[in-house]
Amino acid sequence: DAGVTQSPTHLIKTRGQHVTLRCSPISGHKSVSWYQQVLGQGPQFIFQYYEKEERGRGNFPDRFSARQFPNYSSELNVNALLLGDSALYLCASSQPGLLGRNTIYFGEGSWLTVV
Amino acid sequence: LAKTTQPISMDSYEGQEVNITCSHNNIATNDYITWYQQFPSQGPRFIIQGYKTKVTNEVASLFIPADRKSSTLSLPRVSLSDTAVYYCLVVLTGYSSASKIIFGSGTRLSIRP
Repeated sequence: DAGVTQSPTHLIKTRGQHVTLRCSPISGHKSVSWYQQVLGQGPQFIFQYYEKEERGRGNFPDRFSARQFPNYSSELNVNALLLGDSALYLCASSQPGLLGRNTIYFGEGSWLTVV
Repeated sequence: LAKTTQPISMDSYEGQEVNITCSHNNIATNDYITWYQQFPSQGPRFIIQGYKTKVTNEVASLFIPADRKSSTLSLPRVSLSDTAVYYCLVVLTGYSSASKIIFGSGTRLSIRP
């Protein structure tokens, strides 16, 4: 079975631009969450979506937004990119139900470099 | 707001048992504790998950005391390929009907021959 898939794997953007990252969850998983991991640090929670609704949000500015589609795939959008947005963006999926009672599986991430 | 704390780094040798502890104060009754392994430039990989007492699978054991304010990941007979960063993950529920997911700071484990 396919795991969590993310695209693109690597991309370079210029300050002020916009970026869209995509994620396909494991088949049967209805919850998707997004994380930002700056080099040398642990992942920081950005969003959680379940059944196409936002169910959790971390401490990130409004430049960050996300959505979940009817097939449970998800997009993370970042507007007005800053140099500090350069990071590995991880997507994870889990089975239906309260997140705490299910295992979260991660994709390999999308490397974003802002220049 | 609850915070998780782990040692920044640990060193060990091949064949030894390694124990990594994570402190998580204010963990709620229904929250689970999960440990992940991460290699450079890869996503975190699930190791083990538990709620209380002891859980064991083919790669690790997880010990959680009765007060659940900490947990210990035990890796038996480590090898060089176990060199990685290990994270404990606590999912906190009950914050304005949303979930907040907190990673620990990570423990960089180095295994020597």
